[in-house]
Amino acid sequence: RKEVEQDPGPFNVPEGATVAFNCTYSNSASQSFFWYRQDCRKEPKLLMSVYSSGNEDGRFTAQLNRASQYISLLIRDSKLSDSATYLCVVITTGSGNTGKLIFGQGTTLQVKP
Amino acid sequence: EAGVTQSPTHLIKTRGQQVTLRCSPISGHTSVYWYQQALGLGLQFLLWYDEGEERNRGNFPPRFSGRQFPNYSSELNVNALELEDSALYLCASSYEVNQPQHFGDGTRLSIL
Repeated sequence: RKEVEQDPGPFNVPEGATVAFNCTYSNSASQSFFWYRQDCRKEPKLLMSVYSSGNEDGRFTAQLNRASQYISLLIRDSKLSDSATYLCVVITTGSGNTGKLIFGQGTTLQVKP
Repeated sequence: EAGVTQSPTHLIKTRGQQVTLRCSPISGHTSVYWYQQALGLGLQFLLWYDEGEERNRGNFPPRFSGRQFPNYSSELNVNALELEDSALYLCASSYEVNQPQHFGDGTRLSIL
């Protein structure tokens, strides 16, 4: 089993739709969680951090479920410009300032007119 | 504020050669991370440097190595290049490991 798993999709949705992605992680000691967006052949860009209480940024809502070990990203009122690959990243720190950073394989979203 | 900068942008090498990629983090960031992204595949974690020391490395052979300098810039070295090393190599930096990473534009390496 992969340490961080995402459904690769693609998710094909019409403009204006609401779409949700999940990302599951296997290490219960993981501490920090983020969603990134990556456009084709470009570098990933931070979309938002994921906090235990859940957080919202405009049309985007991120949630963390520690009990079930997953994070989610909800996009409301999808725009054509939301078409991209969405990557979750899970960070686990250990003793001696070591750590492990795992990116999911990404979920591809295609928003159609 | 300048972002993460990487050089060169593109590089073409042949099998067996060696390559050095460079990365300058955002000012104030002490952690630098290297990733490999082959065409159509996800990000694969390569190396993490913090305060000049290697903190962790991914599942890559020893011919992938690097270092971090006192000014927190970093180099990634790849020896004995193989065809499957063709990929986009991304560098990211963060203030500390639990903080968001910010990526450079990457170096696109092609092996002929």
